[in-house]
Amino acid sequence: QKEVEQNSGPLSVPEGAIASLNCTYSDRGSQSFFWYRQYSGKSPELIMFIYSNGDKEDGRFTAQLNKASQYVSLLIRDSQPSDSATYLCAVRYTNAGKSTFGDGTTLTVKP
Amino acid sequence: DAGVIQSPRHEVTEMGQEVTLRCKPISGHDYLFWYRQTMMRGLELLIYFNNNVPIDDSGMPEDRFSAKMPNASFSTLKIQPSEPRDSAVYFCASGLAGGRDEQFFGPGTRLTVL
Repeated sequence: QKEVEQNSGPLSVPEGAIASLNCTYSDRGSQSFFWYRQYSGKSPELIMFIYSNGDKEDGRFTAQLNKASQYVSLLIRDSQPSDSATYLCAVRYTNAGKSTFGDGTTLTVKP
Repeated sequence: DAGVIQSPRHEVTEMGQEVTLRCKPISGHDYLFWYRQTMMRGLELLIYFNNNVPIDDSGMPEDRFSAKMPNASFSTLKIQPSEPRDSAVYFCASGLAGGRDEQFFGPGTRLTVL
């Protein structure tokens, strides 16, 4: 079992719909959780981070964390074609300088 | 700030040749990470440094790979000898302890070993 697993893609949604991306992790000592977006041919860039249980909203993006279930998700409301990218979930463990990345989920938003 | 700088952006070499990838982290950052990304294996952490000291090199695939960070503003990843299976995009990222733990990625070096 991988340390960080993401729902297999690709995921396709129509423009204006809600895109839901999911991630589970294996280490209960995990403290910090990140969502990176990577456009084709580009490098990953951070779009959301969350440390505490519950929801965190930033514009059209909402990150949800449930440490009891070892589950973190990213919701994208009113999806736009410009949201088409690969989304990487990353988890940082307690006192570790490094994060572990999932394999990513590729999202396509169709006009 | 210019962000993380990597060079070269593209490298094509023949099997058996030495390859050196370079990275300049964001000024003031105390963490530096080297990643490799392929379609098959995703984004893999190769090695990371804290204050120029290698902390975890467990992701380095084999002895053909080596990394150095002689000072806070420069790091190299060397592959000697290179093999076709080393073909990938290599990313360097830097980060700051005590902040959001965010990693800032460079543009990557696309390596092709023929």
